[in-house]
Amino acid sequence: EAGVTQFPSHSVIEKGQTVTLRCDPISGHDNLYWYRRVMGKEIKFLLHFVKESKQDESGMPNNRFLAERTGGTYSTLKVQPAELEDSGVYFCASSQDLDRRTPLHFGNGTRLTVT
Amino acid sequence: AQSVTQLGSHVSVSEGALVLLRCNYSSSVPPYLFWYVQYPNQGLQLLLKYTSAATLVKGINGFEAEFKKSETSFHLTKPSAHMSDAAEYFCAVSDQQAGTALIFGKGTTLSVSS
Repeated sequence: EAGVTQFPSHSVIEKGQTVTLRCDPISGHDNLYWYRRVMGKEIKFLLHFVKESKQDESGMPNNRFLAERTGGTYSTLKVQPAELEDSGVYFCASSQDLDRRTPLHFGNGTRLTVT
Repeated sequence: AQSVTQLGSHVSVSEGALVLLRCNYSSSVPPYLFWYVQYPNQGLQLLLKYTSAATLVKGINGFEAEFKKSETSFHLTKPSAHMSDAAEYFCAVSDQQAGTALIFGKGTTLSVSS
């Protein structure tokens, strides 16, 4: 089975520009998560989709971040306008169900650098 | 608030030596606990999980972890380190109070020397 795929693997943009990250979850996984790791810090939860609906977006830092999952398949995370503190690695993860014992499957991440 | 503490951001061992990576959690109820590993240029991969069955959990690549409720710990061990174990290791907790989110520790980078 194909794993969680994220694109691009790296992105370097200037402050004030827009960037869109994409995540393709494992086929059939209704649950999709975004996490972020700022350098030197913990991996932190951003939000959770169940199919196309936002189940929990309590971790989204501010309104410059917009996540979508149209059709309940792939998801995009747009940062507009990007700021220096948005730099970090953005991870996407998916899972089949909402059982807390079910581990998440993570993608390789997108490394975002804002200069 | 729930938290996960990984003692030691960097751990260095010699090949063949014991690996011990420490993880302590704070939670008002027994949580579900996970260890993930990230090899260079790869995503996070599940090593093992504790889900309230056996307190000693065996994972992939010879790793195991023991859940100790009295110490609120879930330390990761491997009897004999291999060069291929060099990676970053993350302890994470999931419990009811955290909603659907996993709460991660800051990670521990393991270096293995020959």
